[in-house]
Amino acid sequence: GAGVSQSPSNKVTEKGKDVELRCDPISGHTALYWYRQRLGQGLEFLIYFQGNSAPDKSGLPSDRFSAERTGESVSTLTIQRTQQEDSAVYLCASSETMYNEQFFGPGTRLTVL
Amino acid sequence: AQSVTQPDIHITVSEGASLELRCNYSYGATPYLFWYVQSPGQGLQLLLKYFSGDTLVQGIKGFEAEFKRSQSSFNLRKPSVHWSDAAEYFCAVGLPYSGAGSYQLTFGKGTKLSVIP
Repeated sequence: GAGVSQSPSNKVTEKGKDVELRCDPISGHTALYWYRQRLGQGLEFLIYFQGNSAPDKSGLPSDRFSAERTGESVSTLTIQRTQQEDSAVYLCASSETMYNEQFFGPGTRLTVL
Repeated sequence: AQSVTQPDIHITVSEGASLELRCNYSYGATPYLFWYVQSPGQGLQLLLKYFSGDTLVQGIKGFEAEFKRSQSSFNLRKPSVHWSDAAEYFCAVGLPYSGAGSYQLTFGKGTKLSVIP
């Protein structure tokens, strides 16, 4: 079956613009995660969705960041009024349930000029 | 809060040589432990994981890792490195986070492996 897919693969935007990143998890995976990977850094947890439960937003770095998930399918991560420090690779992962192996997508490389 | 330390930022080994990548974690209890590999331009791939039981874990691509509770370590090893192993390796700790019903992985900053032919 298909793995986790993300789009776009690359996004270049101007400071102050809004961007929307998309993640398609593996079908049937109830858990979905967003991470941020800055250059030379490890992955930083952003947000976690589990089924129809309220998401854990505790990792979002500011109120400019938000994410939604429709049921147990597609998720979008939105960054409003982008800043240069938002430049990073944004990775999405999904897993069957909360404690199972997380499968990662290829990421979206965001560059804010 | 839990933390993961990978002390080596960059390691260079010759092809055919043995490899050990270090990982230490900080947490009161035994967490779930993972090693992921990230090749250039690609997403992360799980190499192996430890949940409980036998402390020596076998993974894909000939990798293994040993959990040592007394040292809070989960070092990754390979007896003979291949040129295709050149990549970045991340150790991660999985724990329930910020209350019931939530879970996340905490990653180390990674170790970049270069392989000399």
